[in-house]
Amino acid sequence: GAVVSQHPSRVICKSGTSVKIECRSLDFQATTMFWYRQFPKQSLMLMATSNEGSKATYEQGVEKDKFLINHASLTLSTLTVTSAHPEDSSFYICSVSDTIQETQYFGPGTRLLVL
Amino acid sequence: DAKTTQPTSMDCAEGRAANLPCNHSTISGNEYVYWYRQIHSQGPQYIIHGLKNNETNEMASLIITEDRKSSTLILPHATLRDTAVYYCIAPLGSGGSNYKLTFGKGTLLTVNP
Repeated sequence: GAVVSQHPSRVICKSGTSVKIECRSLDFQATTMFWYRQFPKQSLMLMATSNEGSKATYEQGVEKDKFLINHASLTLSTLTVTSAHPEDSSFYICSVSDTIQETQYFGPGTRLLVL
Repeated sequence: DAKTTQPTSMDCAEGRAANLPCNHSTISGNEYVYWYRQIHSQGPQYIIHGLKNNETNEMASLIITEDRKSSTLILPHATLRDTAVYYCIAPLGSGGSNYKLTFGKGTLLTVNP
């Protein structure tokens, strides 16, 4: 399966600052990537679908101006949490779409803690 | 996505086969069944997927009933490292690559020594 990396693996920031999380597809070109978040003891929730070269599609209830997604290349998508607040503390996970294998492969996740 | 129903938790002895059931009685003809697992504090790991036929790979086997209303994931020789939450997902459309994966609560499989 596809190899997906995320950076950083964990980050602690102060309330009001912005944090950028990178998601990289290491071994194939991904036209579509997905961003999820997972709160403690809950399941993954899809935040947005990121398409290379076009605007991301956000799920209902996810603020597009707060969670900025950029998918500028076929191997990199970034999620920027702007003006982070403690309630944004969560586990953020990306996945890449492998149309040949007909499946999605996930990154290791980024744990964000906003103080 | 078709609604899937899984037991909340299961236990299995190390070295024995783990059989994880999933009901998806409302699945439509072009919806695949996908299985992922999530080990604590890690991203989900793809296990296997299928449409009609039984499937096997190096990780597991997937048995889909003839009416496609249920399936079973089989880990032939469970190890302690197989302890994880297992998710059964039936995304709308043909294949789960460009389609949204809706994660339910899954089954917490605990493999005991």
